[in-house]
Amino acid sequence: NAGVTQTPKFRILKIGQSMTLQCTQDMNHNYMYWYRQDPGMGLKLIYYSVGAGITDKGEVPNGYNVSRSTTEDFPLRLELAAPSQTSVYFCASSYSNRGRRTGELFFGEGSRLTVL
Amino acid sequence: AQSVTQLGSHVSVSEGALVLLRCNYSSSVPPYLFWYVQYPNQGLQLLLKYTSAATLVKGINGFEAEFKKSETSFHLTKPSAHMSDAAEYFCAVSDRGGGADGLTFGKGTHLIIQP
Repeated sequence: NAGVTQTPKFRILKIGQSMTLQCTQDMNHNYMYWYRQDPGMGLKLIYYSVGAGITDKGEVPNGYNVSRSTTEDFPLRLELAAPSQTSVYFCASSYSNRGRRTGELFFGEGSRLTVL
Repeated sequence: AQSVTQLGSHVSVSEGALVLLRCNYSSSVPPYLFWYVQYPNQGLQLLLKYTSAATLVKGINGFEAEFKKSETSFHLTKPSAHMSDAAEYFCAVSDRGGGADGLTFGKGTHLIIQP
């Protein structure tokens, strides 16, 4: 079982460059999430999706965009990279049970991004 | 709005000693509560969760947590620490109301095991 797969694992960007963090899951989960993790700050929600074609902003969406064209994929795009976006990014997925969200998240291994 | 407070960014215990990691939550409705563990350079994995059944929840690797509504707490314990328990631990809360907007995480507690 692959679970949640993120690529790339590491990336260095220059200020102003753009890139996409890829996330795919093979568990047929309808909910998907992007979090960023900064030292001593826990995880902050960037964007989430409740299904293909539906996305919504989380707590810290500025500077990011997402799309959800399929159930499996949930890419995160950084348009104009800034040093403040240096972080570790985690993609996660979740499922519902009898129509109710269970809350349990399954995480990828993370993508470490440095913006210089 | 929900929030989670983890008391102590770092906790150090001796191998074989009791592990106690504290978590208090704030939620307008009875929540779902979770503990996740993160080993170095890895993603988070679920240790245990509370979803309204028994208030004492047992998880993997000998960990357990007790939901205390009167104290709004969900502390994580393990009777005897092992070196392999060294990791970052996150408490998280979810709105039982069924909203889709993920979990709210605490800032994490780094558990250090002294030999």
